[in-house]
Amino acid sequence: GAGVSQSPSNKVTEKGKDVELRCDPISGHTALYWYRQSLGQGLEFLIYFQGNSAPDKSGLPSDRFSAERTGGSVSTLTIQRTQQEDSAVYLCASSILDRVGEQFFGPGTRLTVL
Amino acid sequence: AQKVTQAQTEISVVEKEDVTLDCVYETRDTTYYLFWYKQPPSGELVFLIRRNSFDEQNEISGRYSWNFQKSTSSFNFTITASQVVDSAVYFCALRGGGSQGNLIFGKGTKLSVKP
Repeated sequence: GAGVSQSPSNKVTEKGKDVELRCDPISGHTALYWYRQSLGQGLEFLIYFQGNSAPDKSGLPSDRFSAERTGGSVSTLTIQRTQQEDSAVYLCASSILDRVGEQFFGPGTRLTVL
Repeated sequence: AQKVTQAQTEISVVEKEDVTLDCVYETRDTTYYLFWYKQPPSGELVFLIRRNSFDEQNEISGRYSWNFQKSTSSFNFTITASQVVDSAVYFCALRGGGSQGNLIFGKGTKLSVKP
């Protein structure tokens, strides 16, 4: 498709389990971002990949969170030992590097930790 | 530190009314970028506009207009003759001029336009 896609759209898991969330950016977009949207918290930045540079991980809330981007395209966000406070919508966005900040967002993955 | 404040949590108007959504930002960067995004009930964020810090010209796009004032660090968004389809959560966001690529979002303003 033409837009950013994310899978799964919904994920329900039990506390303590690991989850993987996937993002397929728009083809040709060199920058990829993960954000988290929680009730009352707005949109929080998690991690940013730009081309082949080392990712900016400054927004990751704890070492239980990690992300990788393979081949400069698909990205996976992994949350280990999930906690109830991890429940949120996880949004992925991508952009062309020279169009500063015009990020195109995917539909998100709604994560519920029971 | 960078920060975006949207003081209005929720606004409700009747169709055809004009409505202004406020956005105030804080940054120490001399070059920065400001954005508005719309999040309709379907959930997907839609880019509306980007404004560079060195371009203070206001912009109009159909029923939408944006008023950027560096003197008051504000980037307000006005919808003229609102329609029910304008009902959504609107986010203002800031990106610094450095190498960091992420957007700093305000907490959003939920706009409800009633028929």
